[in-house]
Amino acid sequence: NAGVTQTPKFRILKIGQSMTLQCTQDMNHNYMYWYRQDPGMGLKLIYYSVGAGITDKGEVPNGYNVSRSTTEDFPLRLELAAPSQTSVYFCATLAGKYNEQFFGPGTRLTVL
Amino acid sequence: GDSVTQMEGPVTLSEEAFLTINCTYTATGYPSLFWYVQYPGEGLQLLLKATKADDKGSNKGFEATYRKETTSFHLEKGSVQVSDSAVYFCALMYGNNRLAFGKGNQVVVIP
Repeated sequence: NAGVTQTPKFRILKIGQSMTLQCTQDMNHNYMYWYRQDPGMGLKLIYYSVGAGITDKGEVPNGYNVSRSTTEDFPLRLELAAPSQTSVYFCATLAGKYNEQFFGPGTRLTVL
Repeated sequence: GDSVTQMEGPVTLSEEAFLTINCTYTATGYPSLFWYVQYPGEGLQLLLKATKADDKGSNKGFEATYRKETTSFHLEKGSVQVSDSAVYFCALMYGNNRLAFGKGNQVVVIP
């Protein structure tokens, strides 16, 4: 089992460009999450999903969109990249007896 | 809303020293509490957890006890190694299994 995979690992965007960060899980869990991590600020929840076709906003959703057409995939879309979106992005799902969150390796995004 | 506060600033200590990282929380009810660790260049890994008051979570020599009287979940290790150098995050779980994280503490262990 790969767990949670994220692509790409690194990306540099120009202001105003768009891109999709991919997240795929093979843990067969309905719940998935997107976080961003800024230096010294911990992780902030962007969007989450409790199952295919269901998504909801987290703390910092502005500038992002998500979709959830399958259990496995939860892509995060940036439509008009801004320097404030420079961050490391983590995708997560649930695992274990107490439904702990299990994280992917992250995507480091720089917007110039 | 539910939130977690970690002590400010990085922690630098010598190998074999005692480590404490403070964590307090604000929440409705009694949420599950977690410590995650992030090694350089990697994602977050679950270190330990506690699901109810007075529970003690433990893993790899680290321990934390869920104290509802003081709304705390402090992380401790009796003798740190260089390999423990990482960033440590305290978190609580709330609705729909979402996590609220503290800001994290960088721990640097010097040989």
